[in-house]
Amino acid sequence: DTAVSQTPKYLVTQMGNDKSIKCEQNLGHDTMYWYKQDSKKFLKIMFSYNNKELIINETVPNRFSPKSPDKAHLNLHINSLELGDSAVYFCASSQYRDRSYEQYFGPGTRLTVT
Amino acid sequence: KNEVEQSPQNLTAQEGEFITINCSYSVGISALHWLQQHPGGGIVSLFMLSSGKKKHGRLIATINIQEKHSSLHITASHPRDSAVYICAVRTYGQNFVFGPGTRLSVLP
Repeated sequence: DTAVSQTPKYLVTQMGNDKSIKCEQNLGHDTMYWYKQDSKKFLKIMFSYNNKELIINETVPNRFSPKSPDKAHLNLHINSLELGDSAVYFCASSQYRDRSYEQYFGPGTRLTVT
Repeated sequence: KNEVEQSPQNLTAQEGEFITINCSYSVGISALHWLQQHPGGGIVSLFMLSSGKKKHGRLIATINIQEKHSSLHITASHPRDSAVYICAVRTYGQNFVFGPGTRLSVLP
């Protein structure tokens, strides 16, 4: 059983389109995250939700909007896609243990904007 | 300058060698994580530590809070250890900051 799943795995779309990436976790975790990994393989946090409430919102364009319908889901909607949005997007969830949060990552969604 | 730095950036080793990857950070942290990203792209959490040392199989992670430094060691390295190893810190502001990664290639 997949712990953290993302759909789609690959997404190719044109500039200006609106797209969504879905994430689901079946681990019972309260906190979920979206990360972006750029072409240089550098990971950066975008958003974090705890119990459906936004707790981290890094400096990302407001074209990116996370939506958490329930604790097990955190979807990422992107409006007016730009070439620079091409990247791999990772969803993760976390469990509080040993005074910090152990991360469980999804397989990633490779977004290509043409 | 990144808040989290790693060295080396790239590392090639022969099978069986002892490997060390270093991470240094400049912010206050509540914990440090070591992640492994496989060639296929998947990311796995290896260690989460806030003090001392942890061991899992052939992997050992240490952290020195005073020096703001952590090391990841791999004993008896194997080609299947080839991956990118990423150091990430969780700050007191509950944010995660990632290092640039160390690309390890272990040759048979």
